[in-house]
Amino acid sequence: SQELEQSPQSLIVQEGKNLTINCTSSKTLYGLYWYKQKYGEGLIFLMMLQKGGEEKSHEKITAKLDEKKQQSSLHITASQPSHAGIYLCAPTGNTGKLIFGQGTTLQVKP
Amino acid sequence: NAGVTQTPKFQVLKTGQSMTLQCAQDMNHEYMSWYRQDPGMGLRLIHYSVGAGITDQGEVPNGYNVSRSTTEDFPLRLLSAAPSQTSVYFCASSYSQGHEQYFGPGTRLTVT
Repeated sequence: SQELEQSPQSLIVQEGKNLTINCTSSKTLYGLYWYKQKYGEGLIFLMMLQKGGEEKSHEKITAKLDEKKQQSSLHITASQPSHAGIYLCAPTGNTGKLIFGQGTTLQVKP
Repeated sequence: NAGVTQTPKFQVLKTGQSMTLQCAQDMNHEYMSWYRQDPGMGLRLIHYSVGAGITDQGEVPNGYNVSRSTTEDFPLRLLSAAPSQTSVYFCASSYSQGHEQYFGPGTRLTVT
């Protein structure tokens, strides 16, 4: 079965700093979802990457899929307290069954 | 659109009691699913449905029943609650199996 490993597991950054979260798959990564969860709330869909080399941006968040490395990276530019939360990745496919990585917890200090 | 709604937001049950967690979506999505989220275990799929009248088991279905009589609603029934079912439950929906899923706000369930 496909497993996803996210790194780092947790991250504390000063407001305004850039950061990167990685998601590495044990098998070929044909596509990937990125979600964000704030404590006590549901998951918010951020973006979907569907092919190797694809890069998408939403506001200050950019995600890229490196199919050869079986990895995706999520980069936040000039972090803000509103970016705090748990970031989760899950491969596409699996007939709709989302299999998430363990998550990366981000804290942004004002 | 309200998106995906879940009720109740919080619930406390005693062991052996039964209850139904409600989930509804107003986006005309065909695919709906239930997950539970536990510390250290992440999100695990309980049951899912690819359309009205069709349901299937996920990773951890024991102790839970579902039905899908309409496109909009996908209730999750706990037949006889156990402390191991203490968790946060999320309902999600998507246009189809190959599309991104949208999650409800969750139901925090405690079984004593």
